[in-house]
Amino acid sequence: AQKVTQAQTEISVVEKEDVTLDCVYETRDTTYYLFWYKQPPSGELVFLIRRNSFDEQNEISGRYSWNFQKSTSSFNFTITASQVVDSAVYFCALLMNTGFQKLVFGTGTRLLVSP
Amino acid sequence: GAGVSQSPRYKVAKRGQDVALRCDPISGHVSLFWYQQALGQGPEFLTYFQNEAQLDKSGLPSDRFFAERPEGSVSTLKIQRTQQEDSAVYLCASSSSSRGTGELFFGEGSRLTVL
Repeated sequence: AQKVTQAQTEISVVEKEDVTLDCVYETRDTTYYLFWYKQPPSGELVFLIRRNSFDEQNEISGRYSWNFQKSTSSFNFTITASQVVDSAVYFCALLMNTGFQKLVFGTGTRLLVSP
Repeated sequence: GAGVSQSPRYKVAKRGQDVALRCDPISGHVSLFWYQQALGQGPEFLTYFQNEAQLDKSGLPSDRFFAERPEGSVSTLKIQRTQQEDSAVYLCASSSSSRGTGELFFGEGSRLTVL
């Protein structure tokens, strides 16, 4: 079965702190994609990153970085020098390469960044 | 418009009423998805269209749920005889990729409350 676990329900930090959001996934597929989405209070899901299962290189985009480790089935997301605007719910998701596309989402981590 | 547009943004229905939720995807996007997001949970897949063809409807919770995309553009999710457990945010997403592995663009959702 495919499953995504985000064990952290809510994290509170003070502005400028670094914060890591954990994501652990389960799948029997050898080819799959992993995503992170941000959901601000307005409700729409905003795409942050997509990685395929063959690319384990870590990625950095500005203050965001992602650590993909197949050995531990984890795809963690770090925000460096957090800002109040980073406050949102963050979802990790798994896309199976089955031909018909279904994203399997975790339950999300609510990040609260206070000034 | 530039993004995925959903209407209505909010809908209150009495139990037993029928509701229709509309999604206007980004122009030219081949793939269209519906997801259901219960309070405090991650989105869950409902159904997938490639153009006008509904290729996967395995996530629809019951036969009271019906989705269509007759001309391969606008889609409507219809829920008949609504029940309280149908209360959720219904998210629509579209993608230019026919396989859905590309970036998904989500709308802001339609929040349904069934009294």
